[in-house]
Amino acid sequence: GAGVSQTPSNKVTEKGKYVELRCDPISGHTALYWYRQSLGQGPEFLIYFQGTGAADDSGLPNDRFFAVRPEGSVSTLKIQRTERGDSAVYLCASSKGRTNTEAFFGQGTRLTVV
Amino acid sequence: AQTVTQSQPEMSVQEAETVTLSCTYDTSESDYYLFWYKQPPSRQMILVIRQEAYKQQNATENRFSVNFQKAAKSFSLKISDSQLGDAAMYFCAYRTLYGGATNKLIFGTGTLLAVQP
Repeated sequence: GAGVSQTPSNKVTEKGKYVELRCDPISGHTALYWYRQSLGQGPEFLIYFQGTGAADDSGLPNDRFFAVRPEGSVSTLKIQRTERGDSAVYLCASSKGRTNTEAFFGQGTRLTVV
Repeated sequence: AQTVTQSQPEMSVQEAETVTLSCTYDTSESDYYLFWYKQPPSRQMILVIRQEAYKQQNATENRFSVNFQKAAKSFSLKISDSQLGDAAMYFCAYRTLYGGATNKLIFGTGTLLAVQP
């Protein structure tokens, strides 16, 4: 596609439920990032994929969060046993390579846990 | 660990005037990138301008320019001839030059810019 696409745009779920957030990067971009942006804050890094592998998952807050990118393109961020504190905008970005390249962002998924 | 600080939660400017947004950062690295991103209500982060730390010349993109003071670890954004469409949240961000296993951006908390007609 022309840009980074994230679905759904908004998601409301009940506390304790499981959710999946999808990111479709720009075609040909090998690097993919997930960030979490809480209300009134800047985005915080969660995980970075280079191809199919997670090169850096140091930002994942706990083991309820998991992300995959099985074919090196679309990525899914999975959150188990959601908590109200997980409510935030989840941003995805992609770039052509690892270094010296611009990251392009999607419009994010706003997750609300009630 | 690197940190980015934006001390102005909100700023306001009259249309056609000039405004400067402040950013300071902390790092022990000598080579890195600095960025300003714009985030309108649509939530999509849009790159405004980029500065490589090894370049002494300040970056400029049309009405947007930066004042990069490496020794002071300061990276301010100047918007000239402000337009209504410039109203948005602005984030300063840092990225290491030699990413190794990661290429992540480290963001400040943002400055909300209002443009008055």
